[in-house]
Amino acid sequence: DGGITQSPKYLFRKEGQNVTLSCEQNLNHDAMYWYRQDPGQGLRLIYYSQIVNDFQKGDIAEGYSVSREKKESFPLTVTSAQKNPTAFYLCASSIGLGTGELFFGEGSRLTVL
Amino acid sequence: EDQVTQSPEALRLQEGESSSLNCSYTVSGLRGLFWYRQDPGKGPEFLFTLYSAGEEKEKERLKATLTKKESFLHITAPKPEDSATYLCAVWGRDDKIIFGKGTRLHILP
Repeated sequence: DGGITQSPKYLFRKEGQNVTLSCEQNLNHDAMYWYRQDPGQGLRLIYYSQIVNDFQKGDIAEGYSVSREKKESFPLTVTSAQKNPTAFYLCASSIGLGTGELFFGEGSRLTVL
Repeated sequence: EDQVTQSPEALRLQEGESSSLNCSYTVSGLRGLFWYRQDPGKGPEFLFTLYSAGEEKEKERLKATLTKKESFLHITAPKPEDSATYLCAVWGRDDKIIFGKGTRLHILP
């Protein structure tokens, strides 16, 4: 079955450590996205990528980095520069940028101890 | 500035008690409006896309409608398994997709 796989589902990190969240899709979608979800807030866009080797900052990119070396993969690194990293992170994809609905993975919950 | 406001924030209904969730929006050049369902600890699940005012779409006990300023998600005779957070998102001319904060729906058996 086609879909989006995020891992790990739960992750704990000490302050000052970088951590990388994995996102893989087998939907053959060109566009991929990372969102952050906090209680009582809407989804906020961190980074998005329209094609391989290209990505753009979203609304809250500070303290995060991404790469897009393969069409299927869009990993997100939460760096030590992110001041409030504890959150639920969601990866999504769409057929192309600006082509409509997003399809989401199951999410990764990061907790900084 | 593009904006999406969902109301109410939370809604508790008895099983079988129909109601509606509201999504009000301001966006430059609406290209589409999306509804998602999100269960606790899971990613949002796509429900509907509405493209123009007057459009309606249905799926089981859910019906989504769209006007020029808002969308409604009508829930008819809900069951406990319909309990979830329902998210609305608008897709504007600049290709940005903006999400509302969601409505937490709880159906009591």
